[in-house]
Amino acid sequence: EAGVTQFPSHSVIEKGQTVTLRCDPISGHDNLYWYRRVMGKEIKFLLHFVKESKQDESGMPNNRFLAERTGGTYSTLKVQPAELEDSGVYFCASSRTSGSNEQFFGPGTRLTVL
Amino acid sequence: GDSVTQMEGPVTLSEEAFLTINCTYTATGYPSLFWYVQYPGEGLQLLLKATKADDKGSNKGFEATYRKETTSFHLEKGSVQVSDSAVYFCALSGGSGGYQKVTFGTGTKLQVIP
Repeated sequence: EAGVTQFPSHSVIEKGQTVTLRCDPISGHDNLYWYRRVMGKEIKFLLHFVKESKQDESGMPNNRFLAERTGGTYSTLKVQPAELEDSGVYFCASSRTSGSNEQFFGPGTRLTVL
Repeated sequence: GDSVTQMEGPVTLSEEAFLTINCTYTATGYPSLFWYVQYPGEGLQLLLKATKADDKGSNKGFEATYRKETTSFHLEKGSVQVSDSAVYFCALSGGSGGYQKVTFGTGTKLQVIP
């Protein structure tokens, strides 16, 4: 089966611009997660969807970040307006609802805000 | 809250050397413990896991034992190969953050030279 895919792999934008990251989970996975790794620090949880509903968004840093998962399939994470401290690698992961709770991660999107 | 502390990198070893990457954690309850690996240009992959005290996770020659008394989950491999060069992340779930949120350490970059 295809793994978690993310687009784009890299994005370079200027401060104040808008960027939208996309994640396609593994087919049939109801759970979708976003994480972020900033400047070589730990990978931090941002939020968790169950199908199209936000289950936990406690890790979202501020209201410049908006995540959606319309239809319960792919998800987007929009940053508007982007700030310098938003630079980092954004990972998406997905998992099944039943059975193993193993999260399968995508390759990440490297965001650079200049 | 939950936290994971792992040794700073980078770690540079010669091929066939013994590897240890230290990891300690702070969490309430009985978390599951993981080691993830990120090879260059790829996403995070689950390397091994342990779900209860004294369990040993193993995969691809790597091992880690869940030590509740020392709150540790050190990663070891008896003889590293060049292909093991990657970033290794220690992680947990099932503490105060629940099983749907993975808490990661900062990552340790391993470089194996021939």
